[in-house]
Amino acid sequence: ILNVEQSPQSLHVQEGDSTNFTCSFPSSNFYALHWYRWETAKSPEALFVMTLNGDEKKKGRISATLNTKEGYSYLYIKGSQPEDSATYLCAFIPNDYKLSFGAGTTVTVRA
Amino acid sequence: NAGVTQTPKFQVLKTGQSMTLQCAQDMNHEYMSWYRQDPGMGLRLIHYSVGAGITDQGEVPNGYNVSRSTTEDFPLRLLSAAPSQTSVYFCASSREQTDTQYFGPGTRLTVL
Repeated sequence: ILNVEQSPQSLHVQEGDSTNFTCSFPSSNFYALHWYRWETAKSPEALFVMTLNGDEKKKGRISATLNTKEGYSYLYIKGSQPEDSATYLCAFIPNDYKLSFGAGTTVTVRA
Repeated sequence: NAGVTQTPKFQVLKTGQSMTLQCAQDMNHEYMSWYRQDPGMGLRLIHYSVGAGITDQGEVPNGYNVSRSTTEDFPLRLLSAAPSQTSVYFCASSREQTDTQYFGPGTRLTVL
C-alpha cells in the first residue's frame, strides 16, 4: 500500500479567487500521476496525465505541475467558479503499475 | 458508446448473503478494475484485470472474487456479505493499466 496523501482534505474558496492544493507521493519508482475531478453524484473523470518531472498541464482555468524528485504535484484553479466545486483526486502509478489513489481534496466555491 | 455500465445502482443485503455486482464496458479496454469508496478514504482497489483470463488482487481483496471471461465484462462477487462491505463500488476501465480510467456510475451497497 503506497502512501499517497492529498492536502488539504477540504477547502472553501470565494468565487473569483484562485486556489491550489497538493498531492504527495513516494519519489522513488515513479511512472505517472493522474488527476481526476469528481463531482457530487457523478463518477470521477480524468483531468491530467503527468509523466515527466517538471511537467505542467493546463485545461482552461485548471493547471497542474509535477515534481517527481521531491514527490509532489500541485493542482491550481484560477478564478474559481461554482462549477469548479468537486473533489479532486490524484492517482500515483509506480513502476509496477499498481495505482494508488489519494483520499482527495474537496473544493467548495462560494458565490 | 455506453462506456462503463454497472448494475445494480443500489442494493441492500443481509449479513451472509452473496451477490454479484455487474460491470461491462464497450470500449474494448484491456484493463478493468473494481474500487470501493468509503468516507475519508478515497478509492481503494479491490481487484483488477489486465485482460481476459487474467485477474489480480488489489489493496483490499478479502471477501471479494472476480473473473474475466470476456474483454467486456468484469463481475465482482461478494461471497458472504458483511456490514464492513457497506460502501459505494466503482468499476473502471482503461485501454492499458497505466492509462487514465473511465468509471462507471457506481453501486451503493448496504449490508445489514
